[in-house]
Formats: sequence, C-alpha cells, structure tokens
Amino acid sequence: DVKVTQSSRYLVKRTGEKVFLECVQDMDHENMFWYRQDPGLGLRLIYFSYDVKMKEKGDIPEGYSVSREKKERFSLILESASTNQTSMYLCASSPGTVRGSYEQYFGPGTRLTVT
Amino acid sequence: QKEVEQDPGPLSVPEGAIVSLNCTYSNSAFQYFMWYRQYSRKGPELLMYTYSSGNKEDGRFTAQVDKSSKYISLFIRDSQPSDSATYLCAMSWLGNEKLTFGTGTRLTIIP
Repeated sequence: DVKVTQSSRYLVKRTGEKVFLECVQDMDHENMFWYRQDPGLGLRLIYFSYDVKMKEKGDIPEGYSVSREKKERFSLILESASTNQTSMYLCASSPGTVRGSYEQYFGPGTRLTVT
Repeated sequence: QKEVEQDPGPLSVPEGAIVSLNCTYSNSAFQYFMWYRQYSRKGPELLMYTYSSGNKEDGRFTAQVDKSSKYISLFIRDSQPSDSATYLCAMSWLGNEKLTFGTGTRLTIIP
C-alpha cells in the first residue's frame, strides 16, 4: 500500500512565523504535490514537484515555497504565516504518467491555524 | 467558468437508496476520470478510475463517463451510513501530471 505521511495533523502558529510542513512517501513516486483545501473552494494546487530539486508553481503559489532535496520528501514552507493561510494542507504523490498512472495518493492532511 | 463543475450539496438520502453524484467539465482533452472519497478530517482516497468513455463497476459503485456530453457520474447502490463522506471528481489528459478537481459533494446517508 502506498503511504503518504505528513508531519503534523494539527498546527497552530502565530502571524509572521515561518512554518514548515513535511511530507514523506514510501513508494518511490516521481511526483509530489501540495494542495490546500477550503470550504467551497475545493482542492487548490500550491506547488508540484516532478523530480528531486524540480518544482513547478500551481494555481496559488503566493506566500509559499517548497523544497525537495530527496525523492521521498517534499516540504512546504510558509515564509511569513498570515491568517488567510489558515487551511487544511494536503500532500499527495503519484507514480507519474511515464509509468502510466494519473492517480494521486493523499496524506491525512495538516490542519493549520494561524492566529 | 470553472473547468470542472460539481454540485456541492449537501445531499442527504436514506439508507438503501441509490445515490447519483455528477460532474460536468468543459475541457474536451480530459481522458482520465477519477472519483475520490474523503471522510471528515482525512485525506481523499481513490475510489474509482476510468479511462475515456463507458462504465466501470466495483461492488456497489459504478462510474460512468459520457464524453459527448462532458458529463461523469458515480452511482452508489444500496447506500450505507459508512458511505457518508465528501466525494470529489478529478480528471486529467494524456501526459498531464496534474489533476483538475471538482469542489466535492458532501453526502450523508441517514440510517
């Protein structure tokens, strides 16, 4: 079974803090994704990585950065947290279309509250 | 107009009923269609995966794709309280690593 784990289930941070969200997958997947999920807005892609040290902006990258130093690990960084970044953050991975797969596998999510 | 439209619900039906969940889309390049189920406070999990047009059945679940109408459906037969969740449709086209998601439909099965 594919396993995607996220470092925290719940996180509370103050405005202006630097926040790190970690994601690890154990199935040697090429692609990794960070989404945020908000009521009425669905899943919105923040960043996508298709290889180590490679990244691509998603639909809402402003205020976020990412790091992928190892294939299994993908980090989301909030440089200076703001209250409008309070959300559910979901990490996902996929084998990639080169391996004939379009399916993404999700982690359990991190509920981040910025006060 | 969003690329993928999904009625957000909420939808409440009695146990044992047939449930129909739907998405419409505007991009005719979409060829790969998925349904995800998301329980409260959990990440989405893949439920059904279909390629191009046609039906696919898995137990009580049937996924249907009508590319001519740009319309996909998920049917749940003999619905159970454990089916209560948010259902998200997702789709992609050949060679595209990213998925386009609907906003999700919240379903409650009443015992």
